[in-house]
Formats: sequence, structure tokens, C-alpha cells
Amino acid sequence: SQKIEQNSEALNIQEGKTATLTCNYTNYSPAYLQWYRQDPGRGPVFLLLIRENEKEKRKERLKVTFDTTLKQSLFHITASQPADSATYLCALDPSGSEGQAGTALIFGKGTTLSVSS
Amino acid sequence: DAGITQSPRHKVTETGTPVTLRCHQTENHRYMYWYRQDPGHGLRLIHYSYGVKDTDKGEVSDGYSVSRSKTEDFLLTLESATSSQTSVYFCAISAPGQGLGYTFGSGTRLTVV
Repeated sequence: SQKIEQNSEALNIQEGKTATLTCNYTNYSPAYLQWYRQDPGRGPVFLLLIRENEKEKRKERLKVTFDTTLKQSLFHITASQPADSATYLCALDPSGSEGQAGTALIFGKGTTLSVSS
Repeated sequence: DAGITQSPRHKVTETGTPVTLRCHQTENHRYMYWYRQDPGHGLRLIHYSYGVKDTDKGEVSDGYSVSRSKTEDFLLTLESATSSQTSVYFCAISAPGQGLGYTFGSGTRLTVV
């Protein structure tokens, strides 16, 4: 069956450390993966998109990798802060297109990150 | 959220009544989506639209219908609400191919009693 899984439901780390979140998928060949942040009571907010031909992408303290052989994306937050505490979602387009095919993203269940000071 | 609003934000309704949730965008995006989010299930697609009057079903479409008569509005109707439809409903918009991801609304918390 087709699945997208985020391995940890919860991750607790200390301030200043690097948080690493994992997203695995099976039976898809996505053209890209996306990562979102969701705070309690709010809608998800888009963070980063990484395409299949991009091994790594960075945005400030965020880094995403995409390994199509392992069918895995890793999401890193360096020098983590309590303000980074939130739920992080990965998502992909199961059609393998850039979205123009009229399909919609499917989402993992999310990993809730807690950063303690 | 900027460019997309959902109404109402909260609603309590009785089993068996019809309910309509509204999503309104000012971004002129072609694509609009309705998801529901439940503990243990994450975000699941209900219906989506790829243009005016063009809609398609998602993973959990049973008991729901949608309409899109103009670009800016996407309505989700629960034809006869059931307790299993108690959830948080999110609308999202996108402009595919631009690498910008989805923009989500703030959500509607629906309770069916």
C-alpha cells in the first residue's frame, strides 16, 4: 500500500541542539517533498519544498534532504529554540507531477517537536 | 491567514442537519482544497477543485459535497452531519509549479452533537 510516515510522533530536545525529523514514503515516486509547520489551533504553514533532483535545501536554520533511493526526507533545525516547538508535517504529491495534474498533496501525521530551555 | 479565510471558525450542530463551511481566497489561485484533521489521522483530503465547477474527490469524501461557482469561493457541505464528522476542517489554496506550497486557512472546528 502507499504510505507516507513520519517516524516519531514526538521529539524532545534541548535548546541549542539540532533537531532531526524523518519522513519516509513507500510506493510513490514524488517529484518533490514539502515540509510544513503547524502550531496548536492554527493551519499548517509552508516551510520548504525540495525537488527530486535536489539533494539538499537550506533556509536560515532549516535544512532538508531528499533521498529518492531511500525514499526518505530528513528535516533538520539547527541551534533549536523553544520557539521552534510545533508540529512538523511532510507532504508529497502522489501523482509525481509538479501539481499541474490536478492532484492534491498527501500529508504525514506529523512529528511534534518540543524544545526545552 | 493572508489571502484565505474560512467561516465560521467554530460551529456546533446537531446530528442529521446540513452544514456548509466556506472558504474564500483573494489570491486568484486556481486550486483549492478541503482537508480534515483528526488526532491519529493527520490531514486527510476530502475534496479539491482545479477550477471553477471542476472538482474531484479525495480520500474521505463520503458524506461531503463541494461547490465552486467562482474562483474565490469553495464551499464544503455536510449533507447530513454525523458525529464522525466532528473534526477540524482546513481549506488550502495553491498555485502549482511555483514552489510555494499550500496556503492554509485558520480552520473551522466543527462539533456534531
